[in-house]
Amino acid sequence: SQTIHQWPATLVQPVGSPLSLECTVEGTSNPNLYWYRQAAGRGLQLLFYSVGIGQISSEVPQNLSASRPQDRQFILSSKKLLLSDSGFYLCAWSVLPNTEAFFGQGTRLTVV
Amino acid sequence: GESVGLHLPTLSVQEGDNSIINCAYSNSASDYFIWYKQESGKGPQFIIDIRSNMDKRQGQRVTVLLNKTVKHLSLQIAATQPGDSAVYFCAEKRPGGADGLTFGKGTHLIIQP
Repeated sequence: SQTIHQWPATLVQPVGSPLSLECTVEGTSNPNLYWYRQAAGRGLQLLFYSVGIGQISSEVPQNLSASRPQDRQFILSSKKLLLSDSGFYLCAWSVLPNTEAFFGQGTRLTVV
Repeated sequence: GESVGLHLPTLSVQEGDNSIINCAYSNSASDYFIWYKQESGKGPQFIIDIRSNMDKRQGQRVTVLLNKTVKHLSLQIAATQPGDSAVYFCAEKRPGGADGLTFGKGTHLIIQP
């Protein structure tokens, strides 16, 4: 069966520090991968998606970047965090674009 | 339904009653819809999906209804249980443009004993 792992679960980082959140998927090949952000009391906003290794599309201009160095690995990064980067970050995968996406357990990021 | 601002709409139901959660979507060309359940501090969990060539789909204790005329989606939960307490999100897949899902703001379902 397929599983998605996302870590860390919680993270507190000072303003201006770098960020690296990692997500890996097991049990499937060539998944579509996604990074979403969820602000408190709101729905999910798509940040990045990837259809293959090295292929990244960004949905919103922001202080973050994403990379896909391996087929089942998706990384969310920042060189310098801002207070506004605080939120709940969720990684997800799907087999095809028009099928259900399966989510990881999320990372609660607090920038202080 | 959809909320304005930072506060999620809340639906409070008695345990054992049926729950109906509503969602309005924006793009008439969207062809795929999903309902997710999110418990506090966890990632969204898939409940049920429906494609635009259908108007109803049933799962275990859940039914999704799609009204394309008014761009409305609803989730019906039969015999609501305490474990159903969560935030429920509808999501749509819009054709063309971005890959990925567009999410509504969510509805907080509260189960009264």
